[in-house]
Amino acid sequence: SQQGEEDPQALSIQEGENATMNCSYKTSINNLQWYRQNSGRGLVHLILIRSNEREKHSGRLRVTLDTSKKSSSLLITASRAADTASYFCATDARYNTDKLIFGTGTRLQVFP
Amino acid sequence: GAVVSQHPSRVICKSGTSVKIECRSLDFQATTMFWYRQFPKKSLMLMATSNEGSKATYEQGVEKDKFLINHASLTLSTLTVTSAHPEDSSFYICSADPGKYNEQFFGPGTRLTVL
Repeated sequence: SQQGEEDPQALSIQEGENATMNCSYKTSINNLQWYRQNSGRGLVHLILIRSNEREKHSGRLRVTLDTSKKSSSLLITASRAADTASYFCATDARYNTDKLIFGTGTRLQVFP
Repeated sequence: GAVVSQHPSRVICKSGTSVKIECRSLDFQATTMFWYRQFPKKSLMLMATSNEGSKATYEQGVEKDKFLINHASLTLSTLTVTSAHPEDSSFYICSADPGKYNEQFFGPGTRLTVL
């Protein structure tokens, strides 16, 4: 399957610091999305970036996409303890846009 | 808007019994719903795509007779884990696609524990 890889697998930072998570994928895509999951909960959609976009912002979130390298990054600026969660990237397949293939996830811990 | 619910949120059952999990889109219609399975500290693995009014499409390695999916209406899909065994214990998450925004909306998940 097309499952993406994310790094780091786990990240611990202090409040106020920035957190950067990276995602790599294997095949051509139409969109890449980032989701957040609190422990034992469902997923919350954070941001969608299309294959023809290179950067997108939403509040304290900044997402970049490099289709030539098949990679994306999620930057959370001025992190808060409430940002503690797992973050997943998900890609659709260019020729099968219904499905989402999830990355392995990054577990972010923000200490107050 | 775009809320998806799952019921139950937690279920504990004995080995050999069957468990039904419901996934509902509360404020939109979804011709397509998806069922995922997630092991602790792992990513989501797509199990099957549930299409309203037709048979579900299962991913490779997922047993159709083990995980029965019914998508009888535009707002409800059910996943039945038949003859559950301890190895079926997992977190099951559904999502619904309203078909407009290329975005899936996820339910809160159901934790299944098979004793």
